[in-house]
Amino acid sequence: TQLLEQSPQFLSIQEGENLTVYCNSSSVFSSLQWYRQEPGEGPVLLVTVVTGGEVKKLKRLTFQFGDARKDSSLHITAAQPGDTGLYLCADAQGDTDKLIFGTGTRLQVFP
Amino acid sequence: DAGITQSPRHKVTETGTPVTLRCHQTENHRYMYWYRQDPGHGLRLIHYSYGVKDTDKGEVSDGYSVSRSKTEDFLLTLESATSSQTSVYFCAISGRPSYEQYFGPGTRLTVT
Repeated sequence: TQLLEQSPQFLSIQEGENLTVYCNSSSVFSSLQWYRQEPGEGPVLLVTVVTGGEVKKLKRLTFQFGDARKDSSLHITAAQPGDTGLYLCADAQGDTDKLIFGTGTRLQVFP
Repeated sequence: DAGITQSPRHKVTETGTPVTLRCHQTENHRYMYWYRQDPGHGLRLIHYSYGVKDTDKGEVSDGYSVSRSKTEDFLLTLESATSSQTSVYFCAISGRPSYEQYFGPGTRLTVT
């Protein structure tokens, strides 16, 4: 069974700081997705990465996919309080209809 | 935003009572999923559906059943609620397998 490990579990920073969170898999990713979940709401898709070495940018967020497709990182530049939330990575499970989720990184950005 | 709603949004029930949660979508997506989210466990798949009347189990399906009689509705039933089923339940939809999922706002269920 594939395991997705995210680190750190918790991160508390001041507005304006940079941060990186990580997602590592026990096996090769099929198609990695990053979601953000704000308190009291459902997760919202941020990005999907498919190709090893791929880098995608979404405003101040930079997503990298490892060359071997077993790890991924999310870097946030100049964090803002609006970035507060739970960041989840998820992988499509081969040719099934299902995703497997990591346990998440909970980010708190203080003004 | 994907058109997906869940009802009720909050429910408190007693141990042993049946509970049904409803997920409704307006996107005509084929795939629908029920997850539960608990501290330390992340999102865990309960059941999913890949078409009308086509459902399958996820990793934590014991104590839960589902039904999908129409494309737009996916029901999750706890036949006899237990305290261990206290959780936040999320429905998700997808237009194709293993790709991006769109989540509902969640249902917070408390079993006393």
